[in-house]
Amino acid sequence: AQTVTQSQPEMSVQEAETVTLSCTYDTSESDYYLFWYKQPPSRQMILVIRQEAYKQQNATENRFSVNFQKAAKSFSLKISDSQLGDAAMYFCAYRSAYGGGADGLTFGKGTHLIIQP
Amino acid sequence: EAGVAQSPRYKIIEKRQSVAFWCNPISGHATLYWYQQILGQGPKLLIQFQNNGVVDDSQLPKDRFSAERLKGVDSTLKIQPAKLEDSAVYLCASSLRRLAGGYEQYFGPGTRLTVT
Repeated sequence: AQTVTQSQPEMSVQEAETVTLSCTYDTSESDYYLFWYKQPPSRQMILVIRQEAYKQQNATENRFSVNFQKAAKSFSLKISDSQLGDAAMYFCAYRSAYGGGADGLTFGKGTHLIIQP
Repeated sequence: EAGVAQSPRYKIIEKRQSVAFWCNPISGHATLYWYQQILGQGPKLLIQFQNNGVVDDSQLPKDRFSAERLKGVDSTLKIQPAKLEDSAVYLCASSLRRLAGGYEQYFGPGTRLTVT
């Protein structure tokens, strides 16, 4: 079974600064997908960014980018120019590409991101 | 486009009572998921439907939890009887039928269940 570990329960950053959230995962599979989801107090999970394991190029979405290190099984999220609206719980998630149709996400425990004005 | 709808948003029950949650996925989404999110943890998959068939229910506590997706659209998750440890947020998500992979799961706002 795959596991996802987020070792930072809470992170704090000044508005307009850059912050990096860490995620490691354990799998024996070679093809899979990785995701970062944001969950504000409203509880609505919102997809921030995704990465296909077979792609070496790191994914970017505006101020959000990832550092995907497949050999190290590491998938960190970098948020540039942090904004107050970025404050939320951030979850790293894994999905197998071999599920044969079973493709539920495996989540980490999350990192609470605080933005200091 | 309307998002994933869930009701109720909040529910408080006593242990040993029963409760049901409802989910309406995004129109056209064939795949539906139920996740359980205990406070301080990430969501855990309970069950996945493809149309009205179960694809994965390996983590569903079948002695007390049941779910159905009649007609391949709406879904209901039931707990009977509830235990204190069932207190959690229950999230419903949906996605388009699998194509090349990497597709997005869209989540609803969740139902917060408190068992006293």
